[in-house]
Amino acid sequence: SAVISQKPSRDICQRGTSLTIQCQVDSQVTMMFWYRQQPGQSLTLIATANQGSEATYESGFVIDKFPISRPNLTFSTLTVSNMSPEDSSIYLCSAEKGDTQYFGPGTRLTVL
Amino acid sequence: LAKTTQPVSMDSYEGQEVNITCSHNNIATNDYITWYQQFPSQGPRFIIQGYKTKVTNEVASLFIPADRKSSTLSLPRVSLSDTAVYYCLVKSPSGGYQKVTFGTGTKLQVIP
Repeated sequence: SAVISQKPSRDICQRGTSLTIQCQVDSQVTMMFWYRQQPGQSLTLIATANQGSEATYESGFVIDKFPISRPNLTFSTLTVSNMSPEDSSIYLCSAEKGDTQYFGPGTRLTVL
Repeated sequence: LAKTTQPVSMDSYEGQEVNITCSHNNIATNDYITWYQQFPSQGPRFIIQGYKTKVTNEVASLFIPADRKSSTLSLPRVSLSDTAVYYCLVKSPSGGYQKVTFGTGTKLQVIP
């Protein structure tokens, strides 16, 4: 299995600023993923991050708004740029280990 | 990616067996069926995964008929701590990794 931690666990930010969310996995993994979950809703995949290559974004998500870094096999960051209240959500990091995706606890973001 | 459909919510009394059925009519030959559990303010937790027939682990059983167009998650003797949202997913191999799409989920409420 894989244990995933995220920082920060929650934050309140002002409109127009940016926040970088960190994701740490306790073992080396090839694929990492970033999801967004609106309150009471299901999860939506933002992008897939493979170490050593550019992240692959899903429809509706762009690199300028959600830049992702994947510097090594245990770490990734997601930046939410130029935030607006519509970006208020829970952001979850996930990693694939073997046949299974494991999830972090999420980062609850509120944009005022 | 195959779309999944499952009941929005279910209620059950403590000690009963709960069966949650998910339909995935467009499942492809190489796709796997996976179930996750999510508690409030936590990331999804892997429960069980299968390809066909029946899979059982210490937490649940997964029944998949021959046509694989549906699957049923069975939780034996539920307790209050099983109150959560349960997601049925279809995992599709894509570019060397497993891409997953979360559906709406089933909110299970266990009643004392």
